Amino acid sequence: DIQMTQSPSSLSASVGDRVTITCRASQVINTYLAWFQQKPGKAPKSLIYGTSTLQVGVSSRFSGSGSETDFTLTISSLQPEDFATYYCQQYKTFPVTFGQGTRLDIK
Amino acid sequence: QVQLVQSAAEVKEPGASVKVSCKASGFTFNYYGFLWVRQAPGQGLEWMGWISALNGNTHYAQKFEGRVIMTTDTSTSTAYLELRSLRSDDTAVYYCARDKAGYKYGSDWGQGTLVTVSS
Repeated sequence: DIQMTQSPSSLSASVGDRVTITCRASQVINTYLAWFQQKPGKAPKSLIYGTSTLQVGVSSRFSGSGSETDFTLTISSLQPEDFATYYCQQYKTFPVTFGQGTRLDIK
Repeated sequence: QVQLVQSAAEVKEPGASVKVSCKASGFTFNYYGFLWVRQAPGQGLEWMGWISALNGNTHYAQKFEGRVIMTTDTSTSTAYLELRSLRSDDTAVYYCARDKAGYKYGSDWGQGTLVTVSS
């Protein structure tokens, strides 16, 4: 199975900050990488797929980059509604696997 | 618009089975596949498997092989997850999600169904 490792596990930041979350795959996954946002008590929401393609309706302050095994999610200017937990997911091969999550809190 | 509406919360005893439904609307059901993902209390996301609504092909996480059955009913645009021989550590919120044109990530998600396993 492909292991997905996110860092950091948690992060404190302020409104207006630029934030980067990283995700490393244990094998090459090309660009088959998605990012999700989850708020407490809610279903995950798709943000990005194909490493860098924004889901329709997602703010352009979210961006994704990377290839092969190393990927990043960047939020250019944090807004209050961005404080949540973020997950990466590889879907190159079954079993699909998720990172352990990065909790983004208000500083 | 795309909607996935899941069945209500369930409470089950250890050893029982549960069947969770995911009713789809707003798109052509049998063009897509569906992922099932669960989340234990305070934990991360765990992929359980995927089913194609086109031909019923499935891929299950090895952890659930022999205990899980995923099905679809194209006449009602509904995907189902059945989990058998429930244990207390199966207590979780179970989510269905639609894939995107063959890319097997979850582009749209149901609201989740809490399954509690307790005697």
